[in-house]
Amino acid sequence: NAGVMQNPRHLVRRRGQEARLRCSPMKGHSHVYWYRQLPEEGLKFMVYLQKENIIDESGMPKERFSAEFPKEGPSILRIQQVVRGDSAAYFCASSLQGHSGNTIYFGEGSWLTVV
Amino acid sequence: AQRVTQPEKLLSVFKGAPVELKCNYSYSGSPELFWYVQYSRQRLQLLLRHISRESIKGFTADLNKGETSFHLKKPFAQEEDSAMYYCALSGLSGGATNKLIFGTGTLLAVQP
Repeated sequence: NAGVMQNPRHLVRRRGQEARLRCSPMKGHSHVYWYRQLPEEGLKFMVYLQKENIIDESGMPKERFSAEFPKEGPSILRIQQVVRGDSAAYFCASSLQGHSGNTIYFGEGSWLTVV
Repeated sequence: AQRVTQPEKLLSVFKGAPVELKCNYSYSGSPELFWYVQYSRQRLQLLLRHISRESIKGFTADLNKGETSFHLKKPFAQEEDSAMYYCALSGLSGGATNKLIFGTGTLLAVQP
């Protein structure tokens, strides 16, 4: 089992461009979570998705950010019109079940730099 | 409010010295507490969870509900323990999702 795979590992975007971050969960996992880690801060929950459904997006900024987890293919975190403040590490995680008590496995992260 | 507090940004100890990484939490229900470790730009790995009460790599953590703490301890630090350590919690009541709330992390540096 390859674990949670994220790509790209590093992404550089100019202000105003779009960033797309992809996450393939562990085999058999249908629950995906995205977290953001700003410099000098801890990980902050962004969104929780189950196949084709957004379950909890309470941590997502209201504008420019969106996430999807289609029936086929990886989960995508999309940031439109990036700004310098979007520069951060974005971590994806997955679990077998969605309720508490299930182990969450993290990917290696995608580092977004906005110049 | 749900919150995890790790008061120390950096903890530096010598090899062989005891280690205690502090974690305090506030949560209105019954939380499940975790410690995650992140070695130099690698993925976060689950170190231990309070429910399993196990010891991993010599680390232990006891949930103290009275003091709302979940401090991570190891009696003798090793150089390979140098890493970023995150305390986290999630809800334990039925139906609560797996959403984790993280502390800001403590960087443990073990000097030779």
